[in-house]
Amino acid sequence: GQQVMQIPQYQHVQEGEDFTTYCNSSTTLSNIQWYKQRPGGHPVFLIQLVKSGEVKKQKRLTFQFGEAKKNSSLHITATQTTDVGTYFCAVPGTYKYIFGTGTRLKVLA
Amino acid sequence: NAGVTQTPKFQVLKTGQSMTLQCAQDMNHNSMYWYRQDPGMGLRLIYYSASEGTTDKGEVPNGYNVSRLNKREFSLRLESAAPSQTSVYFCASSGDRGGEQYFGPGTRLTVT
Repeated sequence: GQQVMQIPQYQHVQEGEDFTTYCNSSTTLSNIQWYKQRPGGHPVFLIQLVKSGEVKKQKRLTFQFGEAKKNSSLHITATQTTDVGTYFCAVPGTYKYIFGTGTRLKVLA
Repeated sequence: NAGVTQTPKFQVLKTGQSMTLQCAQDMNHNSMYWYRQDPGMGLRLIYYSASEGTTDKGEVPNGYNVSRLNKREFSLRLESAAPSQTSVYFCASSGDRGGEQYFGPGTRLTVT
């Protein structure tokens, strides 16, 4: 069956450092979504990527969809304490969307 | 505009007890979902409903039943709770098939 792997599982960074999380699929994807979940909160939709090689920016966040549409990345420039949380990718699967296991980001002030 | 609401926020059950988790959305969405989230496991789909009157099993449906009462409401029932069902349960909705999902605040369930 389809598998989606997200790495790293955890990342601790100093405030101001950059952060990147990667999502890799075993199959070609029609699209990919990214969500953020603050500690104790619920997932919140960030973005959906559809086109091969697509790059989208939201302030300090840059999202990229691979040329082969099998992987994606989320990059945060100059992290802030407000970036703390878990970042999930979600890909279309048999049961609607399959969520990756997430990357938990901790930002040290 | 409340979005997606869930009740209760917290619940403690004894093994074998039953309960229903309630979910409602006010965004006129067709699709609704129930997920469970366990530490290190991400979100796993329990059941979903693509439209009023239809429900389908997700990845982990055993031990659960659902009802799509109307377009707004989608409930999840545990008939005989087990400790393995200790988890955080999220309800979500989306307007289009494959569209962004809006999540409720979650129900934290402990089964002892």
